[in-house]
Amino acid sequence: AQSVTQLGSHVSVSEGALVLLRCNYSSSVPPYLFWYVQYPNQGLQLLLKYTTGATLVKGINGFEAEFKKSETSFHLTKPSAHMSDAAEYFCAVGGGADGLTFGKGTHLIIQP
Amino acid sequence: DGGITQSPKYLFRKEGQNVTLSCEQNLNHDAMYWYRQDPGQGLRLIYYSQIVNDFQKGDIAEGYSVSREKKESFPLTVTSAQKNPTAFYLCASSNFHGTGSSGANVLTFGAGSRLTVL
Repeated sequence: AQSVTQLGSHVSVSEGALVLLRCNYSSSVPPYLFWYVQYPNQGLQLLLKYTTGATLVKGINGFEAEFKKSETSFHLTKPSAHMSDAAEYFCAVGGGADGLTFGKGTHLIIQP
Repeated sequence: DGGITQSPKYLFRKEGQNVTLSCEQNLNHDAMYWYRQDPGQGLRLIYYSQIVNDFQKGDIAEGYSVSREKKESFPLTVTSAQKNPTAFYLCASSNFHGTGSSGANVLTFGAGSRLTVL
């Protein structure tokens, strides 16, 4: 079975500061890992994914994530937060026929 | 533009009534999924379908039913047997073709349907 743990249900940062959202996974096979973003009352949009190859993955809107097998982590970062980054962020593992297993989400708050 | 259309956006239901949520995609994807989202709970898989006329239960299928009569359509019925149906429901699709396919199964989501039981 695969699972995802997102540390911190709410993260607050100042505009212009570093964004760090934490995700740890559990998987018995080499994982496929994803980050999705959700704005209020909308569906989920793919930010980035890790499948194989380079462990540092770049996504949309200036976000990136690094796959660290030794730490079973896939943390999401952005060097400088913008007000438009305020949203719910979901880490997910899987990518097989039965879809994805999601974490419980982290609500990102941007302080002006 | 290709995408996934969910309707209605908002739905109110009285206890004891069945309700059907629509999901239509024009992405020519084979696989479709239904997830339920509750505050602080993330997304949980209800049902999924890899091909027409076939579908499998997810983690929380009790009280729900689906059909897959057409490739582009995957409606979800929330029955009166579902004890706590108030939630945000998300439909997704992908072009994943199962075992042997290369690459990961990347899901594309609709905008969701919010069901409230009065």
